[in-house]
Amino acid sequence: DAEITQSPRHKITETGRQVTLACHQTWNHNNMFWYRQDLGHGLRLIHYSYGVQDTNKGEVSDGYSVSRSNTEDLPLTLESAASSQTSVYFCASSEGGARTDTQYFGPGTRLTVL
Amino acid sequence: KQEVTQIPAALSVPEGENLVLNCSFTDSAIYNLQWFRQDPGKGLTSLLLIQSSQREQTSGRLNASLDKSSGRSTLYIAASQPGDSATYLCAVYNFGNEKLTFGTGTRLTIIP
Repeated sequence: DAEITQSPRHKITETGRQVTLACHQTWNHNNMFWYRQDLGHGLRLIHYSYGVQDTNKGEVSDGYSVSRSNTEDLPLTLESAASSQTSVYFCASSEGGARTDTQYFGPGTRLTVL
Repeated sequence: KQEVTQIPAALSVPEGENLVLNCSFTDSAIYNLQWFRQDPGKGLTSLLLIQSSQREQTSGRLNASLDKSSGRSTLYIAASQPGDSATYLCAVYNFGNEKLTFGTGTRLTIIP
C-alpha cells in the first residue's frame, strides 16, 4: 500500500545543531508539505513543494529549509536548531492535479531542542 | 487573514449519542473545507472534503455540511462509538492563499 513515512519519529538535539527530518511518500504525489503543530497554534505551514526542484516558503519558514530532488522525498532541515523549534512536525502530500486536493499526512516527528 | 475556530475545545458524550462538532471561519472565499481526525501521537487522517460549491458530504456515519455565506461547517457523527474518540480538526483552503488554515481542534471523548 502507498504511504508516507517520517524519520526519525523522535529526536532530541541541542541548540545550534543542524537537524534534518526525513519525509518519504510512495503515493507518487507531486505536492508535498511540511507543518509544525504546537499547542494553541494548530498546524502551521513551514514549506511546500509542487514538484521536483520546486520549493516555496510557508507562513513560518524562518530557520528552516527544504529541497526536492525527486518526487518521493522532501527533507526538512533546521539550519541551527533553536528551543522555539521544539514541536511536532508533520509531512503531507497530495496529488498534483489540484493543489486543493486532500492531503495525506505522515505520523509525525517529535523534535525537542535543548 | 483567515481564522478558523472550533468550539468547544473538548467534548465528552455517552456512547450511542449523535453529536455535532462546529467549525467557523472568517473569510468565505474558500476553495474547500476539510475535516480531519487525529489520534494521540499520530498524524492526521482526512475524513471529508467539501468543495465550495457543495453543501454537504457524507461518509458512513459522518456527515459534514458547509454554509459558506455564514462561515460555518458542522461535522455530524451518528451513533457515536468509543473508537470515535480523537481530536477533530477542520481546515479551509482559500483563494489566493497556497495553504490550508487549520482550526485548533475539538478533542472528542466517547464514554462507554
